[in-house]
Order: sequence, then C-alpha cells, then structure tokens
Amino acid sequence: DIQMTQSPSSLSASVGDRVTITCRASEGINTYLNWYHQRPGKAPNLLIYAASSLQSGVPSRFSGSGSGTDFTLTISSLQPEDSATYYCQQSYSTPLTFGGGTKVEIK
Amino acid sequence: QVQLVESGGGVVQPGGSLRLSCAASGFTFSKNGMHWVRQAPGKGLEWVAFIRFDGKNKYYADSVKGRFTISRDNSKNTLYLQMNSLRAEDTAVYYCARDTSSWVLDYWGQGTLVTVSS
Repeated sequence: DIQMTQSPSSLSASVGDRVTITCRASEGINTYLNWYHQRPGKAPNLLIYAASSLQSGVPSRFSGSGSGTDFTLTISSLQPEDSATYYCQQSYSTPLTFGGGTKVEIK
Repeated sequence: QVQLVESGGGVVQPGGSLRLSCAASGFTFSKNGMHWVRQAPGKGLEWVAFIRFDGKNKYYADSVKGRFTISRDNSKNTLYLQMNSLRAEDTAVYYCARDTSSWVLDYWGQGTLVTVSS
C-alpha cells in the first residue's frame, strides 16, 4: 500500500497569512494526488485534483503543486472559513489512501 | 445539484450486520463509480470500497475484505454497503462519495454513523 504522510499535523496562522501544507507519498505517484478539506461536523470537500487542478467553485487562493513523491497545498491568503482539517489522497492505485490530516486553525 | 444521502447507520453488537444505503440524485448515477469512505471518531479518513459504474469491478480495503460487500442498483440510483461480522474498530461515520472516473472523490454525502458496541 502507498503511505501518505502530511506535515505539519496542525498549524495556527492569522487571517491573510500564506499557509503551506506538505504531503509525501511512500513511492512515486506521478500527479495522482488530490486535496480535500473538512470542516468540523461536515463531509470532506474536494479542493484540488491531479496535484494542481482547482476543483470548480473552489476559491483561487488555493493551489497545489508537486509530482512524484512530494506535494504541496498552498493557501495564498488565509480566510476565517479556511479553518478546517486538510487531507491529501493518492489516486494512483488501490487501496486509495489518505494522509493523516493537517488541522488549520485561525489565530 | 448532486446529492448523496446515506442512511442505515445505527448501533449494532459485535458480530452483527448492517446495510448502509446511499441515495443519489442530480446526476446520471449509472455513469459514475462510487466509493465508501469511513472516519472513526476523532480520526482521519479511511477508504473502504469502490464499485465501477456498471457494478462489474469492486475493490476493498484489506480491513474489510471478506466482511463487507459493496453493491449498487442503477435502476434505483442507490449504492449499498453490506457489513457483516462487525467489530468495534468498524465504528465510524460512513460516507458515500462519487468518483470522477479517476479515483477522485468529487461529491460526498453527509455521512451515517455506525457504532459497534455491546
């Protein structure tokens, strides 16, 4: 199975800050990497697919990059509604696997 | 708009069975693969199972293989998860999610809670 490791596990930042979350795969997955966020008590929501493609309706302050084993999700200017837990997921092979999550809090 | 509504969760004793349903609307259900993903209380996301749009291919996580069965009825726009031999570690919120055809999960239901406890 492909293991997905996210860092950091949590972070606290101010409104307007640039935030970066990292995801590393245990083996190369090309660009088969997706990002979701999940607000407390809600279902996950797709943000980025294929490493860098913005899902329809997602604000442009979200962006993704990377290929192979190392990937990054960036929020260019953190907003209060971005308080959530962020997960990466590899879609390279089954079993599909998720990272452990990064909890983003607003200072 | 796309809607996925799960049902069938509840409290069940260890060793028991439960069948979850996911009613789909707002898209042509028979054209999309579907997933089940679960989340134990306070934990992260765990993929459970996938079924192809026509039901001909199914994949499972090792943790549920041989105990859970994913199925679908395209005439009823409904996805199912039959869960047998349930264990305490199966306690979780179970989400159904639509596949984009690339194992990307673009729409999710609100989830249904399954609690396995004596």
